Amino acid sequence: DAGVTQSPTHLIKTRGQQVTLRCSPKSGHDTVSWYQQALGQGPQFIFQYYEEEERQRGNFPDRFSGHQFPNYSSELNVNALLLGDSALYLCASSLARGGVETQYFGPGTRLLVL
Amino acid sequence: RKEVEQDPGPFNVPEGATVAFNCTYSNSASQSFFWYRQDCRKEPKLLMSVYSSGNEDGRFTAQLNRASQYISLLIRDSKLSDSATYLCVVSRDNYGQNFVFGPGTRLSVLP
Repeated sequence: DAGVTQSPTHLIKTRGQQVTLRCSPKSGHDTVSWYQQALGQGPQFIFQYYEEEERQRGNFPDRFSGHQFPNYSSELNVNALLLGDSALYLCASSLARGGVETQYFGPGTRLLVL
Repeated sequence: RKEVEQDPGPFNVPEGATVAFNCTYSNSASQSFFWYRQDCRKEPKLLMSVYSSGNEDGRFTAQLNRASQYISLLIRDSKLSDSATYLCVVSRDNYGQNFVFGPGTRLSVLP
């Protein structure tokens, strides 16, 4: 049973560029959440996708956008990269059952913006 | 004030010690509570959910005080493998959506 997978594992970009990160949820899960974790801090919620729509969004600018595909996998896109976007980007998957949804995290993508 | 705050740490304790972590949250509407563990350069992993009645899982005990908006995690008989950062997590609704993570408390268990 595959857990949550993310690609790529590491990425280096320059300011102003655009990046796309990918996530495949745990088998049987239908909900994907994205988080940004800066060094020494806890993860910050970016947004959550369910049924191919953004269900909730944290306090992130519109440069951060996402998508969920019919197979429940998801992409996170960041436009016009800033130095401050350097972080670990975590994807978490869960199953929407109308109750508390335990989230399982992938290994993350480390993004460095130069 | 941050929505979820934790003991700043780090905690350096000898093997076999008992250690307690505290967490406070500011949103009284918060519904679900968790402790996650994160090893260095790894993803967070669920340690345990926290229930109003308190719950125990082996050497780990979690407590929730809704009136004081306070969550705790107690680790007994610390092992070297317990060394990690412990993240307090609060969900703003009953569906586990929109998790809010605390900054984490780092624990080092020393031989």
